Amino acid sequence: DADVTQTPRNRITKTGKRIMLECSQTKGHDRMYWYRQDPGLGLRLIYYSFDVKDINKGEISDGYSVSRQAQAKFSLSLESAIPNQTALYFCATSDPGTRTIYFGEGSWLTVV
Amino acid sequence: DQQVKQNSPSLSVQEGRISILNCDYTNSMFDYFLWYKKYPAEGPTFLISISSIKDKNEDGRFTVFLNKSAKHLSLHIVPSQPGDSAVYFCAASGRWNAGNMLTFGGGTRLMVKP
Repeated sequence: DADVTQTPRNRITKTGKRIMLECSQTKGHDRMYWYRQDPGLGLRLIYYSFDVKDINKGEISDGYSVSRQAQAKFSLSLESAIPNQTALYFCATSDPGTRTIYFGEGSWLTVV
Repeated sequence: DQQVKQNSPSLSVQEGRISILNCDYTNSMFDYFLWYKKYPAEGPTFLISISSIKDKNEDGRFTVFLNKSAKHLSLHIVPSQPGDSAVYFCAASGRWNAGNMLTFGGGTRLMVKP
């Protein structure tokens, strides 16, 4: 089983709809992240959380919100989806003692 | 403005030959660099890293070279194998970040031909 699990893996939604992407991890890491991948732009940080009570905006947080329900769970919401939010979304975790982050398998989101 | 750039979107190499993937950065405060490998329908996986106190780090067929004066790093894969065909991302982080924030390049798609 994957250490970082994302659901759903694929979703097509309509413009204006609310959509939530969920992430859970079994690595026991305190730090969790949401990244977005777009062709040619690499991965860009949307939000990050160092613990349950700590939420921080990343490079591209506009149009997104997050919730850290527990140490192991970090969800990303698009309150009103728009087509340019069509992308591949990755959840990731890290241990404060290292500088390596570990990614989930990704969630493909298409907004039509 | 992208602080980490991979100027080659794609690279094609013959099996058994060397693959060299390049990455440039602009922020001199970056002090730790990583390479990730991504297969289709999977998340990126960590491959190799290097601290700015070193200029080379080797792990099996993979070697990362860092040239701080040029703000340039490269990943060498020798010998290249068809299973190495993937997208490779370089990433950088700096201690000013209160955490393990990584800044990624745009990726290079490597194709290793049998």
